Amino acid sequence: QVQLQESGPGLVKPSQTLSLTCTVSGGSISSGNYHWNWIRQPAGKGLEWIGRIHTSGTTTYNPSLKSRLTISVDTSKNQFSLKLSSVTAADTAVYYCARDYAWYFDCWGQGTLLTVSS
Amino acid sequence: DIQMTQSPSTLSASVGDRVTITCRASQSISTWLAWYQQKPGKAPKLLIYKASSLESGVPSRFSGSGSGTEFTLTISSLQPDDFATYYCQQYYSFSPFTFGGGTKVEIK
Repeated sequence: QVQLQESGPGLVKPSQTLSLTCTVSGGSISSGNYHWNWIRQPAGKGLEWIGRIHTSGTTTYNPSLKSRLTISVDTSKNQFSLKLSSVTAADTAVYYCARDYAWYFDCWGQGTLLTVSS
Repeated sequence: DIQMTQSPSTLSASVGDRVTITCRASQSISTWLAWYQQKPGKAPKLLIYKASSLESGVPSRFSGSGSGTEFTLTISSLQPDDFATYYCQQYYSFSPFTFGGGTKVEIK
């Protein structure tokens, strides 16, 4: 059974770059025709899809974040990562990684809280 | 972006009640719609995909219907474990994928 686990710094200063990693266990990140996604949720609010990557390296980004966003994959470590530059308080949220096979999300990590504050 | 609007935003119900949540899309999305359940402090859990297909392991009291721009999630007999927030998500367009604002099901 595949499991996903997010990891990150917890706190980032404004204008810096946020970096998060999702580690996939219980199966190879390269097996199956999956895409690997990032989704975030500000406290008390709804869900926002950030972007996704296939192990071929193909990425799709939310246009609202595209100019600040990089998603990458490291198949040797069974991980994929998110980098979001020039962060502000509006980027404070719980960040989830999730798997999709057919564009809906069938497997999620537990989430990691990222706070942007000086 | 395709806008997804859920109603109501909050719903008060009792155990055993039949509950219906509505999700409307700003344009036709065929049946490219999923439903998720989220409990406080937890990640969302997939319930329904392709508007009406039940995810493996999800109780049969959950059902989904609709196509085009209007969709419903129905819980046939509300159980204590069902008090949670429910989200719809369209995947007709991945530029970007979008979610509804959520419906919180509370104990009456």
